[in-house]
Amino acid sequence: DTGVSQDPRHKITKRGQNVTFRCDPISEHNRLYWYRQTLGQGPEFLTYFQNEAQLEKSRLLSDRFSAERPKGSFSTLEIQRTEQGDSAMYLCASSQDHYTEAFFGQGTRLTVV
Amino acid sequence: TQLLEQSPQFLSIQEGENLTVYCNSSSVFSSLQWYRQEPGEGPVLLVTVVTGGEVKKLKRLTFQFGDARKDSSLHITAAQPGDTGLYLCAGSSTGTASKLTFGTGTRLQVML
Repeated sequence: DTGVSQDPRHKITKRGQNVTFRCDPISEHNRLYWYRQTLGQGPEFLTYFQNEAQLEKSRLLSDRFSAERPKGSFSTLEIQRTEQGDSAMYLCASSQDHYTEAFFGQGTRLTVV
Repeated sequence: TQLLEQSPQFLSIQEGENLTVYCNSSSVFSSLQWYRQEPGEGPVLLVTVVTGGEVKKLKRLTFQFGDARKDSSLHITAAQPGDTGLYLCAGSSTGTASKLTFGTGTRLQVML
């Protein structure tokens, strides 16, 4: 399978704990995006990378959130001091470049209890 | 802030019926994409439209991009239970795959 891969698929954590998600994009895709989707809503943009450079961050990405793509390949999204409001599906997508479609991974479902 | 509103929000129909889902905005988009999402999975791309007035067909699905590139519609002919899912439109202001603004979604259920 050469699609976008996300790990873990599901994560349950206690409020206040830190969590980290990983995304492996499609090989040779230069752009990588993170979105968040709450129940009953469409995905909302969080941030994106062009290779290793983080080019844009949404105001939804509070100081507790940090994303990295150190070598321009896989990316991690870390949430510190999780809150119940962080419960959502976190989606990663990748595209070859600025002009081609983005393909999504299966997402990581986070539940903060 | 760009917003995409979809209607209807929910649709429950019998197998064999036709339906249309609408995606509207006051903003102009350089391209618009339609995705389908199953519960617990990521969105799967169905089609991309980039030219005002463009019509694309994918088997029983017909997608149209408005002349002014502010709205789009998805028409399904003779719906089948396999069409059940969440349909999402998503617009991009620059390029095809830059930051996407997603619509509110239309949840479709097709019953036998």
